[in-house]
Amino acid sequence: DAEITQSPRHKITETGRQVTLACHQTWNHNNMFWYRQDLGHGLRLIHYSYGVQDTNKGEVSDGYSVSRSNTEDLPLTLESAASSQTSVYFCASSDPRRAEAFFGQGTRLTVV
Amino acid sequence: AQTVTQSQPEMSVQEAETVTLSCTYDTSESDYYLFWYKQPPSRQMILVIRQEAYKQQNATENRFSVNFQKAAKSFSLKISDSQLGDAAMYFCAYRSNAGKSTFGDGTTLTVKP
Repeated sequence: DAEITQSPRHKITETGRQVTLACHQTWNHNNMFWYRQDLGHGLRLIHYSYGVQDTNKGEVSDGYSVSRSNTEDLPLTLESAASSQTSVYFCASSDPRRAEAFFGQGTRLTVV
Repeated sequence: AQTVTQSQPEMSVQEAETVTLSCTYDTSESDYYLFWYKQPPSRQMILVIRQEAYKQQNATENRFSVNFQKAAKSFSLKISDSQLGDAAMYFCAYRSNAGKSTFGDGTTLTVKP
């Protein structure tokens, strides 16, 4: 069965370190998204991609970057981790012909 | 930019009763999609129901139904015959035709036995 997986599921890192969160989907979807979820809030869009070599900033993109070199993967990089980036991160993918997005299991990132 | 508002941070319902969760949104687009997602403690985002804006008929999925009022930009979720397994955080989401989604802040639903 097709799926979308995130790794790692949990990570603790130190302030100032570079961190990369992986997202891999086997749906063959062109659209991929990264969100963060903070306590008391819904999901907020960090970056998104509509296809290979395409990346776009979302509403909370400062301090994050993504790259899309193939259809299956959209890694999220925190250039210099800050405590404000402690959050749960979700990756999602969707097919433009179908409305709904499919979500990964989430990654809980703690920056100490 | 689109916004989604869920005005009820918490709701509770007695098992087997009916509960309605509210959602309003703001957009200038005419073609879009609306969703309700369920997030249990496992963190997994589970699609509950979807509604295409061009459809006048309200979507229904078993015990879950929506009241979609396009002019009022309102999209409420009704859960009938509530079950203990319905307890979760529920998110309303707006998806533009371009593919980006905007989420509300969620409603925590408690089901009392």
